[in-house]
Amino acid sequence: NAGVTQTPKFQVLKTGQSMTLQCAQDMNHNSMYWYRQDPGMGLRLIYYSASEGTTDKGEVPNGYNVSRLNKREFSLRLESAAPSQTSVYFCASSGGQGAGTDTQYFGPGTRLTVL
Amino acid sequence: SQKIEQNSEALNIQEGKTATLTCNYTNYSPAYLQWYRQDPGRGPVFLLLIRENEKEKRKERLKVTFDTTLKQSLFHITASQPADSATYLCALVRGSTLGRLYFGRGTQLTVWP
Repeated sequence: NAGVTQTPKFQVLKTGQSMTLQCAQDMNHNSMYWYRQDPGMGLRLIYYSASEGTTDKGEVPNGYNVSRLNKREFSLRLESAAPSQTSVYFCASSGGQGAGTDTQYFGPGTRLTVL
Repeated sequence: SQKIEQNSEALNIQEGKTATLTCNYTNYSPAYLQWYRQDPGRGPVFLLLIRENEKEKRKERLKVTFDTTLKQSLFHITASQPADSATYLCALVRGSTLGRLYFGRGTQLTVWP
């Protein structure tokens, strides 16, 4: 099993450009998450999907959109990138539908720089 | 709003000693608390989970305690090794928003020979 995979690993954008970060998991998990990690700020939840067909805002959703394409895939889109979105983005998945006890499995991250 | 504080940004200890990391929270009572390890350039990896009605959990050289009166969790690594050097994150789950984790900023542990 590959676990949680993310593409791309690195990306440089210019202000105003758009892009989609891809995430896939092969663990048959119901829930998937997108976080950003900035120095001194810790991990902050952008959006999550408790189950296929549902998405909810997290702590910092502004400037992002998500799509739960199917049970395996959860994408994050930046419609008009801004320098403030320079960060490391992590996708994660967990088995339960908001069970709380489920541990989260993280992907390797995408390092995004917006110039 | 929920606030989670980890005692220090960095902790340096000698190999063989016990490392103790602290996680304090305010405003809400978590249903569960989790600890993760993160190595440079990689995603966090789950280590241990402790529920609000549990006082202590152990896994090999790791021990987690949970004191809901003090609103604090302690994470211990006994007989520490240089390979334990990493950033350790605590994360809590609130009963009202099950499935969502709220992370602390992490403590960077360095174990020197």
